Amino acid sequence: GENVEQHPSTLSVQEGDSAVIKCTYSDSASNYFPWYKQELGKRPQLIIDIRSNVGEKKDQRIAVTLNKTAKHFSLHITETQPEDSAVYFCAALNNNAGNMLTFGGGTRLMVKP
Amino acid sequence: KAGVTQTPRYLIKTRGQQVTLSCSPISGHRSVSWYQQTPGQGLQFLFEYFSETQRNKGNFPGRFSGRQFSNSRSEMNVSTLELGDSALYLCASSLEQTWDEQYFGPGTRLTVT
Repeated sequence: GENVEQHPSTLSVQEGDSAVIKCTYSDSASNYFPWYKQELGKRPQLIIDIRSNVGEKKDQRIAVTLNKTAKHFSLHITETQPEDSAVYFCAALNNNAGNMLTFGGGTRLMVKP
Repeated sequence: KAGVTQTPRYLIKTRGQQVTLSCSPISGHRSVSWYQQTPGQGLQFLFEYFSETQRNKGNFPGRFSGRQFSNSRSEMNVSTLELGDSALYLCASSLEQTWDEQYFGPGTRLTVT
């Protein structure tokens, strides 16, 4: 089955700096890669996703890049703000092998004002 | 539209007991997935239901089961509870497939003593 590894497990940045979180996956047939943000005590929320037919997707300060050859994808947050502080999860899914999302272990991002 | 709701929000049970958790998806959503979230194992997929049928199942023992009703509401049941079942149980709904945007509920915090 799919295995997703996420790094780093914790990340501390200064407000205004950029943050990058990286994930690798094992199933080369995986074709959908969402990112979720979970604030303390709250439910995960989808912040951006990418499908395997594109290499990059951007939404305001958030971007995701996908390298299918290397089987890794990354989340980039620019101009970080204190409200970006949360746990971020990456996930991967092969929609030709069922509807099962496999999550990475999570990254706790702390943005210091 | 009302969001995904889960009941109860908190539950304390004793080893050996059984528990039933409920999830009401967003109106019009037909796919409901269940996840277990623990500090040690992260977010793990339990199962997914669509049109009252279990479409996918994660790697959990048979003590974990679920069902979906004709109105797309879903329940999950854990029998013969173990201490290790203590976790936040999240459900997520999407329109048809898990690679449609998934909306998570607030979760049910289960504590097994």
